[in-house]
Amino acid sequence: GAVVSQHPSWVICKSGTSVKIECRSLDFQATTMFWYRQFPKQSLMLMATSNEGSKATYEQGVEKDKFLINHASLTLSTLTVTSAHPEDSSFYICSASSGPFSGRQYFGPGTRLTVT
Amino acid sequence: AQKVTQAQTEISVVEKEDVTLDCVYETRDTTYYLFWYKQPPSGELVFLIRRNSFDEQNEISGRYSWNFQKSTSSFNFTITASQVVDSAVYFCALSEAGGGNKLTFGTGTQLKVEL
Repeated sequence: GAVVSQHPSWVICKSGTSVKIECRSLDFQATTMFWYRQFPKQSLMLMATSNEGSKATYEQGVEKDKFLINHASLTLSTLTVTSAHPEDSSFYICSASSGPFSGRQYFGPGTRLTVT
Repeated sequence: AQKVTQAQTEISVVEKEDVTLDCVYETRDTTYYLFWYKQPPSGELVFLIRRNSFDEQNEISGRYSWNFQKSTSSFNFTITASQVVDSAVYFCALSEAGGGNKLTFGTGTQLKVEL
């Protein structure tokens, strides 16, 4: 149980375009979802936390107008990278939890974004 | 603020050797969770263990074992008789009970197991 999927698993886009990444909890209701970014050979950095039905909370230094997060249902959150630039190329990972006191996040397989 | 330190950036061992990955954490909360994740080259995080702050019992799962010591704020991970398939990046992470499951990751340790 507790499976989280991400789509697409990899994407290549041109500079200036926008790209949307989906994160779905397949067998549980995810009241909270998290988005992480990971550069090569580095750790995971939390970008934002989203609770179903409310606005995402962004970490310091993350541009909320560039990384649009929507958590419209208990099983789906989306991250849209707007006006992508080559420096946005990274590995994006989502995770989901069934509540703030559940004590655990379940991670998706990640999406590798390359901006050319 | 919470912090996780993994001082070992990279470790290389020969197959069948035992290896210990160190993790030191900082938190002001009395209730927290500690985790270890494995990240193989595919990138997908593999959950290995969760330990809450009130359970200091060491745990063994097959070739894996964990040593949690609150007195030194450490949660070390040992792989016994390492195998090539153990080659991966290993992350230690911390979440505070009142933090809504927000995870803070260490910088990771790259483990290379060679024949």
